[in-house]
Amino acid sequence: KQEVTQIPAALSVPEGENLVLNCSFTDSAIYNLQWFRQDPGKGLTSLLLIQSSQREQTSGRLNASLDKSSGRSTLYIAASQPGDSATYLCAVRLVRTSYGKLTFGQGTILTVHP
Amino acid sequence: GAGVSQSPRYKVAKRGQDVALRCDPISGHVSLFWYQQALGQGPEFLTYFQNEAQLDKSGLPSDRFFAERPEGSVSTLKIQRTQQEDSAVYLCASSSLAGIAYNEQFFGPGTRLTVL
Repeated sequence: KQEVTQIPAALSVPEGENLVLNCSFTDSAIYNLQWFRQDPGKGLTSLLLIQSSQREQTSGRLNASLDKSSGRSTLYIAASQPGDSATYLCAVRLVRTSYGKLTFGQGTILTVHP
Repeated sequence: GAGVSQSPRYKVAKRGQDVALRCDPISGHVSLFWYQQALGQGPEFLTYFQNEAQLDKSGLPSDRFFAERPEGSVSTLKIQRTQQEDSAVYLCASSSLAGIAYNEQFFGPGTRLTVL
């Protein structure tokens, strides 16, 4: 069974810091990996998607990397802002499912204080 | 509509009551997923529809949970004889394609169910 683990469970940083969120998965036969943001009381917003053949994806201040062989991904956030405060979730799609079911980690709660 | 909508947004039920949660996917989206998110956890897959066909219900935790999508658009998740452990946020997601190709799922805001 695929397991996805995120470290740390919670992170509190001052505004302006660069930070790294970690995600690991046990089954390397993934189709792709996706990072989401979840704000309280709201649904999930997709941030970045990395195909299994890719090493990284960038969007603005966000950079996600993928090392499929070691079962790891990182989300790097540069120059953090209070508006980045949210729960960040990583999720994988397994090759053996034919319709894109997502398997999620438990999330990292990020707080950026002014 | 512009996105996936879910109703009600909040539901409080007494233990033993039946509840029905509704999902309106993005118009024309073929695939529809239900996920359950317990407090402090990531979402967990419940069931998947491709049009009106329920192709995977392996994540439904018990036979008290039932989902349908009779016309291939709106879906309803029904929970019979609710228990306290059913308290969670129920998320619905839809996507335009079927199959293993990159297939972004668009999530609704969820329904927060509290069973007293």
